[in-house]
Order: sequence, then structure tokens, then C-alpha cells
Amino acid sequence: GQQVMQIPQYQHVQEGEDFTTYCNSSTTLSNIQWYKQRPGGHPVFLIQLVKSGEVKKQKRLTFQFGEAKKNSSLHITATQTTDVGTYFCAGPWYSSASKIIFGSGTRLSIRP
Amino acid sequence: GAGVSQTPSNKVTEKGKYVELRCDPISGHTALYWYRQSLGQGPEFLIYFQGTGAADDSGLPNDRFFAVRPEGSVSTLKIQRTERGDSAVYLCASSPRQYDYGYTFGSGTRLTVV
Repeated sequence: GQQVMQIPQYQHVQEGEDFTTYCNSSTTLSNIQWYKQRPGGHPVFLIQLVKSGEVKKQKRLTFQFGEAKKNSSLHITATQTTDVGTYFCAGPWYSSASKIIFGSGTRLSIRP
Repeated sequence: GAGVSQTPSNKVTEKGKYVELRCDPISGHTALYWYRQSLGQGPEFLIYFQGTGAADDSGLPNDRFFAVRPEGSVSTLKIQRTERGDSAVYLCASSPRQYDYGYTFGSGTRLTVV
């Protein structure tokens, strides 16, 4: 069945270093969404990418959608302690667009 | 309301008991979703409502789980004969429309079955 996988599972960086998480789907996605979940919190929507090869930026965060629309990445430049949390990608189920499937997430921790 | 409200925030119940979890979505949001999240995992889809009807309930694990949204606003997730494996955080989310729009999640209900 369709799978959405993320790597790495964990990332521990020094404050100020960059961070990247990768998301791969076994099937082509019509769109991909990214969420952030702080420790003890709930997922918060960050962005949605729709077009093949699309790149969007939010301050220090850069999101990319692959040309084949099967992979995506989130890159954070110069991490800050406020970036701590788990980052999830999510995409629609291939047979039911209303059913969004979440990846297993990448947990980011930061050494001040 | 300003956000998605879920009650209770925590629920401890004994194995075999019945529980109801409530979700009050953002006013005007027609799409409502229930997810379940276990520790260290991503949210797992349970059911999706468009208006009053369950448009997709394929994620409900078995017939002990049922959800309703009778007036197209508040939704209740009902779990019968709870089992220890049902322990998780149950998240509700809403969005203004069905497709191509990010979800707003509630803070969740942490269910513990003892």
C-alpha cells in the first residue's frame, strides 16, 4: 500500500547549524503538506506544495516538492531553539484525496 | 470559536468501558477529521466528515469505533469496550473545504485505558 516515509527519524544539531528532513512517497502525490509539532503539542500546519518542482520559503524554512511529485524536503537554515519539535510531511491517499496520510516524522532537537 | 476545541483533554478509563470524545471545529469549517497518534508516531487517519456525513471512515480500526456529526458542526468519537491498545492521543482537525487545504488541529484528547 501507499507509504509516506521520512528520514532521518531523529536529528540533533548545534544551534545555528542547518537541518534538513526528507519525505518520500511510494506513489505520486497531488500535493504535499508540512506540519510542525512541538513537544507535548499538536500538529500545526506550515505549508502546502502543489506544483512539480515547487519551492517555497518561510523565513529560514525552505520547502521543495520534487519534479516527480513523489518526494519533498524541508530545510531550516541556522536553527534556533524555537525550531525544536517533530516535522511531519503529509499527502493525500492515492485512492481517496480526502484521506491525508502522515509520515512518521523527523524529531529535531537542538543544543544551545 | 477561534480554534478547534477538544474535550476532555485527558481521559482515563477502565478496560471494557465506553468513552466519548468531543470535537468542536472552527466555525464554518465543513471538513472535519479524526486522527489517532501514538507516542513517536505520525497521526493515523480514522475518519473524515464533509458536513454531516462520514465521507470516509476507512481508518476506523474496527466496529468498536464510531463517530457522528449530526448537525455538521460538533463531532463525537465513540469507543465501545475499550482496550489497552486504544490508548493514544485522539486528534481532531478541521478545514474550510475538502481538498488542497491545510488542517487546523485541536490539542487532542489523551486516552488512557487501564
